[in-house]
Amino acid sequence: QVQLVESGGGVFQPGRSLRLSCVASGFTFNTFTMHWLRQAPGKGLEWVASISSDGDNTYYADSVKGRYTISRDDSGNRLYLQLNSLRPADTALFHCAREGQATKAQTFDVWGQGTMVFVSS
Amino acid sequence: DIQMTQSLSTLYASVGDRLTITCRASQAISNCLAWYQQKPGKAPKLLIYKASTLESGVPSRFSGSGSGTEITLTISGLQPDDFATYFCQQCNPYWTFGQGTKVEIK
Repeated sequence: QVQLVESGGGVFQPGRSLRLSCVASGFTFNTFTMHWLRQAPGKGLEWVASISSDGDNTYYADSVKGRYTISRDDSGNRLYLQLNSLRPADTALFHCAREGQATKAQTFDVWGQGTMVFVSS
Repeated sequence: DIQMTQSLSTLYASVGDRLTITCRASQAISNCLAWYQQKPGKAPKLLIYKASTLESGVPSRFSGSGSGTEITLTISGLQPDDFATYFCQQCNPYWTFGQGTKVEIK
């Protein structure tokens, strides 16, 4: 069964750092581009970051560039998102997602349920 | 960035209805367009990609169309399992989403 499961969320103080994790199963992880997206309470989905299948290329939304770092560990089928200098505006449900291939390129064809991050003093 | 607008945040419908959800882009976009369904506490599910291609396993009552600045998702014969939130997505040059349209029971 193709599945993505996120973890690492919780309640954090402004200025702190955290790392989110996403474990993949049911597919050949190292052949897919992977993404992180987030959804703030009451707001729409926002793409956050992506990493190519070989890990050589990473891309970030302007809103998080310089504070977030996406990475992957293909030996453990894991995707990570490091969040630094947390702000209340980072409060959101964070999803990892798989980018489809071939005709489904640039589409998110598998998503995790998400892990919630609250940033509050 | 291209903004995607779903003008209806909530749409009330009954089982069996044919309904259309519209998404408008702030500028003309290619067919790099998708629709997703999301239920509370669940992962989003891909329904339609490339504006009109049905994802494998998605019932044929779902269809997508449109081009330019307007795309639509149509559900022909709403089923109880279809009450959910639907949102659109474009990918030029980066991914942006509509705010979502929640389909609720009338």
